[in-house]
Amino acid sequence: AQRVTQPEKLLSVFKGAPVELKCNYSYSGSPELFWYVQYSRQRLQLLLRHISRESIKGFTADLNKGETSFHLKKPFAQEEDSAMYYCALSGSKAAGNKLTFGGGTRVLVKP
Amino acid sequence: GAVVSQHPSWVICKSGTSVKIECRSLDFQATTMFWYRQFPKQSLMLMATSNEGSKATYEQGVEKDKFLINHASLTLSTLTVTSAHPEDSSFYICSARGPLGIYEQYFGPGTRLTVT
Repeated sequence: AQRVTQPEKLLSVFKGAPVELKCNYSYSGSPELFWYVQYSRQRLQLLLRHISRESIKGFTADLNKGETSFHLKKPFAQEEDSAMYYCALSGSKAAGNKLTFGGGTRVLVKP
Repeated sequence: GAVVSQHPSWVICKSGTSVKIECRSLDFQATTMFWYRQFPKQSLMLMATSNEGSKATYEQGVEKDKFLINHASLTLSTLTVTSAHPEDSSFYICSARGPLGIYEQYFGPGTRLTVT
């Protein structure tokens, strides 16, 4: 079974401060990990995926298989980063490449 | 590109009636679409995987006869909530597997269902 855990429901930081959203996963195979973001009154959209090893909007995330983690980080938070963030795991093709979402972390960046 | 729409965006219905929600991929063909349910302040829970031309695969605990899914074309999947009850009130979101690769999913804006 695949499982994603985001331990923090709410993260409140000041503008310019670093922010780190924790994500831990449980999966027996080789996972594909994603971070999705949902801004207020907008649809869910992909922020980044681990296989791309890219940085989007200043966010990065490193897959640590030893710790089964995929934490999302940004060195200097901006007010427009305030949103709901979901970590997600995609399983095997045999399992339909289904996405399993974590509980989500709400980020509030204060001015 | 890769836009997914849902219709309606919100609907109110009476208990016992059925409601159909449409999910469309507007500018790409989606062989696979997914239906999620989201309760207030909670995460998305996958309900079923819909493959074009075949029966949907439901997640454990999701009633097949309650939530009818049809994926008749490469751009349209429908979710019908049959004999709706107040506990079915929720936010229903669909996603479509995009054209760029098997892992990319594009999400619709969601449909708010309220059963009175």
